[in-house]
Amino acid sequence: KNEVEQSPQNLTAQEGEFITINCSYSVGISALHWLQQHPGGGIVSLFMLSSGKKKHGRLIATINIQEKHSSLHITASHPRDSAVYICAASGGGADGLTFGKGTHLIIQP
Amino acid sequence: NAGVTQTPKFQVLKTGQSMTLQCAQDMNHEYMSWYRQDPGMGLRLIHYSVGAGITDQGEVPNGYNVSRSTTEDFPLRLLSAAPSQTSVYFCASSFWGEAFFGQGTRLTVV
Repeated sequence: KNEVEQSPQNLTAQEGEFITINCSYSVGISALHWLQQHPGGGIVSLFMLSSGKKKHGRLIATINIQEKHSSLHITASHPRDSAVYICAASGGGADGLTFGKGTHLIIQP
Repeated sequence: NAGVTQTPKFQVLKTGQSMTLQCAQDMNHEYMSWYRQDPGMGLRLIHYSVGAGITDQGEVPNGYNVSRSTTEDFPLRLLSAAPSQTSVYFCASSFWGEAFFGQGTRLTVV
């Protein structure tokens, strides 16, 4: 069973700061997902990646397959980025995703 | 395009009651799954389905039943609710690994 660890668990930063959230997993995967969950809200998929780097607006996700590690970066952070960010690993089989416990991010104005 | 629709959004049950959480998707995805989310823990897989007529257990299946009679619908049944089933439940459908989640059902069992 894959173990997915995220750090930090909680992060408070000032508006404009560069944010990094880390995710590590224990066994090989077919893809790594980054998800966003606003308080009381649903879960939205931000990225799915199996190698390299993806960028969408101010969000960047990277993955290092050899080191079993992924990072989510937010540039020029804004209070609307405040949310829980979750990484999840999929093994390619039919047994769904294995989730990290999430990083609770607060961006203060 | 509605995506994944879950109903109800909120529910309070008494211990021992039964209920069905509904999940429907309009994207023609074969793979659907149910997760529960508890404080301090990651989402955990309850049951999943790889197509109509095919279901299987996930990590925490006890106390839950599922069926998949159509591609669109994947209901989750609580047979006899227990306080330990108080949680937020998410349904998801997937296509080539990309997951689409419903808005969640917050269930409280008293």
